[in-house]
Amino acid sequence: QVQLQESGPGLVKPSETLSLTCTVSGDSISSSYWSWIRQPPGKGLEWIGYIYYTGNSNYNPSLKSRVTMSVDTSKNQFSLKLSSVTAADTAVYYCARHVKTYDVVDYWGQGTLVTVSS
Amino acid sequence: EIVMTQSPATLSVSPGERATLSCRASQSLTTNLAWYQQKPGQAPRLLIYGASTRATGIPARFSGSGSGTEFILTISSLQSEDFAVYFCQQFNNWPPTFGPGTKVDIK
Repeated sequence: QVQLQESGPGLVKPSETLSLTCTVSGDSISSSYWSWIRQPPGKGLEWIGYIYYTGNSNYNPSLKSRVTMSVDTSKNQFSLKLSSVTAADTAVYYCARHVKTYDVVDYWGQGTLVTVSS
Repeated sequence: EIVMTQSPATLSVSPGERATLSCRASQSLTTNLAWYQQKPGQAPRLLIYGASTRATGIPARFSGSGSGTEFILTISSLQSEDFAVYFCQQFNNWPPTFGPGTKVDIK
């Protein structure tokens, strides 16, 4: 069974960088694509982007200038950095396994709430 | 970016009844559409992809149909565990985008 677990600070100050890590178990990080998706409280879902273990990535154009994703194959983890955050970046952040053939997600982490506030 | 809309925003249904949820895209998707179910405090779960293919482990009471810009998710006989929010998602163009969701609650 594939499992994903997000980790990182739950509170980030405005203008700083949000950093999250996703630890994958039950699957090799090298065998699939991996995504980050977020959901502001009470709102809909927004795809942030995906990454492959080779470093090949694709980001949502609306966030591209602020997003960096990376993979650590030795730890079976992938990570998200979002710079210059504002209150609008407050959301539950999900890491997920991305089925590239269809650009859908078949396994999700439980999600982690990140609040941007001073 | 493709804009997704869903109707109705809320659907009140009695257990055992049929639920029909609609999703519309701002441009043609052919059949590049997925449906997800989300319960409070949980991550979404993939139900349908390719407009009509059920994901692994999804009961047969869930079915998807449609193509182009109009899509339907049907739950043939609602069970207690089906009361949730349902999102559609297009994957025809990057970035994938989601609809705002339809909440299915108990009548």
